[in-house]
Amino acid sequence: SQTIHQWPATLVQPVGSPLSLECTVEGTSNPNLYWYRQAAGRGLQLLFYSVGIGQISSEVPQNLSASRPQDRQFILSSKKLLLSDSGFYLCAWSVTGLGYTFGSGTRLTVV
Amino acid sequence: AQTVTQSQPEMSVQEAETVTLSCTYDTSESDYYLFWYKQPPSRQMILVIRQEAYKQQNATENRFSVNFQKAAKSFSLKISDSQLGDAAMYFCAYRSATDSWGKLQFGAGTQVVVTP
Repeated sequence: SQTIHQWPATLVQPVGSPLSLECTVEGTSNPNLYWYRQAAGRGLQLLFYSVGIGQISSEVPQNLSASRPQDRQFILSSKKLLLSDSGFYLCAWSVTGLGYTFGSGTRLTVV
Repeated sequence: AQTVTQSQPEMSVQEAETVTLSCTYDTSESDYYLFWYKQPPSRQMILVIRQEAYKQQNATENRFSVNFQKAAKSFSLKISDSQLGDAAMYFCAYRSATDSWGKLQFGAGTQVVVTP
């Protein structure tokens, strides 16, 4: 069966520190992968999406970047975190592009 | 670009009663998919129900059903026999059938409160 793992679950980082959030998918090949951010009490904002290794598209300009070093691995990074980067980050995958399966999310607090 | 609108920030329902969440969307396309996702306090996103635009029959999953009105671009979710476990944020989402990237456009969400 297909599963998606996302870690860490919670992260508190100082302003200016780097960030690395990882997402891996099991049980499927060549999935479409997505990173979303959800601010407190708000909807979901698409940050990045990828249809293959090394293929990353960004929806909005920001302090974040994404990489896909392996078919089933998607990484969200930042060189220097800002206070505004705080939020709940969700990774998701889709094979046929129908619905998404989401990871359990990472709650990031930048202090 | 497509937009998804959920006009109800919060809905309250008593246990065993029925609540209907509204969702409208704006698109010029004829082939697309619509979804309802549930986000409980754990914040895990869970797919509740999916509707394909070319299917006239409304989708149903146990106590959850939709009223899909394609001409009106409306996609409401009905929760019947509400249970305490239904308390969550509910998101409506749209996906174009021609978008090979498979991107979903989400509404702002509706918070469902279930009272005993």
